[in-house]
Amino acid sequence: EPEVTQTPSHQVTQMGQEVILRCVPISNHLYFYWYRQILGQKVEFLVSFYNNEISEKSEIFDDQFSVERPDGSNFTLKIRSTKLEDSAMYFCASSRLTQPQHFGDGTRLSIL
Amino acid sequence: TQLLEQSPQFLSIQEGENLTVYCNSSSVFSSLQWYRQEPGEGPVLLVTVVTGGEVKKLKRLTFQFGDARKDSSLHITAAQPGDTGLYLCAGAQPDRGSTLGRLYFGRGTQLTVWP
Repeated sequence: EPEVTQTPSHQVTQMGQEVILRCVPISNHLYFYWYRQILGQKVEFLVSFYNNEISEKSEIFDDQFSVERPDGSNFTLKIRSTKLEDSAMYFCASSRLTQPQHFGDGTRLSIL
Repeated sequence: TQLLEQSPQFLSIQEGENLTVYCNSSSVFSSLQWYRQEPGEGPVLLVTVVTGGEVKKLKRLTFQFGDARKDSSLHITAAQPGDTGLYLCAGAQPDRGSTLGRLYFGRGTQLTVWP
């Protein structure tokens, strides 16, 4: 069964550094999403992306965050200057027009 | 704020018992998804319910969407140790069509089934 794949599985970064999280959505999916889950808390929506532009973003997705689909397969989340509170699991998801969202296994981001 | 409350937060039962997990909100959702999440992995989709009053069965799991599309339940019959995991409900916004757009997640129910 097709899967959403995320790399790396674990990223350790110094505070203030830039980090890029990578996702390969399911190939025939058109909608892409990023969510995060801080340890012990709910899964929270960050951003949705369709037709090469952001469809919706949450209040968490501030100017430090950006998303890009640099080629036909990858979907990336960049955090420009990481903060301690950015430490979390980051999940990528994708969906077709009328199908539910399928999630990757996540990237654990640890900010030191 | 679209808030989904799940209960109970923790559930520990013996193999063979039945259980029900609840997902409640004061908001209407166009659809509701149930996911199961294992430690270190992403949520895995179990089912999507779309129509008020809808009931879906997946082997020993029965999912129901409330008539007003504000609540849902997951019932497991004759639980097995393999059912152990974190069960999450997630609702989709009503103004975005059936399953488009952001999902609002509940906090989850951690189920442990002892042999």
